[in-house]
Amino acid sequence: DADVTQTPRNRITKTGKRIMLECSQTKGHDRMYWYRQDPGLGLQLIYYSFDVKDINKGEISDGYSVSRQAQAKFSLSLESAIPNQTALYFCATSDPPYETQYFGPGTRLLVL
Amino acid sequence: GENVEQHPSTLSVQEGDSAVIKCTYSDSASNYFPWYKQELGKRPQLIIDIRSNVGEKKDQRIAVTLNKTAKHFSLHITETQPEDSAVYFCAASSTGTASKLTFGTGTRLQVTL
Repeated sequence: DADVTQTPRNRITKTGKRIMLECSQTKGHDRMYWYRQDPGLGLQLIYYSFDVKDINKGEISDGYSVSRQAQAKFSLSLESAIPNQTALYFCATSDPPYETQYFGPGTRLLVL
Repeated sequence: GENVEQHPSTLSVQEGDSAVIKCTYSDSASNYFPWYKQELGKRPQLIIDIRSNVGEKKDQRIAVTLNKTAKHFSLHITETQPEDSAVYFCAASSTGTASKLTFGTGTRLQVTL
């Protein structure tokens, strides 16, 4: 869905480096989410934001932080990357009342 | 909070057969149940959803059924084709200011020739 974009699409980094993954959307949705997906596994919620002033931790927030710069932008940071953060990261948006989520194309992250 | 369980975790069917994936949810306030399909290396995409005011919804070869009393819902794929091979996720949510989707753990469907 071209309405939700993520940059970069692929990233290789080294242990201890700080990196940022960015998500932008043109859907006009207030709600945005960051998920992590390990190979062969399901979606784990890292953080979510219901509006610009609202940030909430998900299931696996340790080692991650987020910033909601505007309604359309939601960034995920890894403060000090470690190898077990190697995964596929998805951003998603939704709009109430029915919480259909629309996913970005994903960022494939490799931490060496 | 909501808990969604999904079974089976893997499912292999022959082309042309039907496939059924089942999910149960815990929160009786949940009233929206989408299903997502994720092809290898791609993003999850919505394929069908159902709201609690109906018991069944169909879209060509796929259908979803909902049993609110038992708190379970199922995805049915008929006349399976190789392109149906993917991971399928169910999810549930309630409407409300603090609601959000809770996903199941996924089912890997393999359609063999």
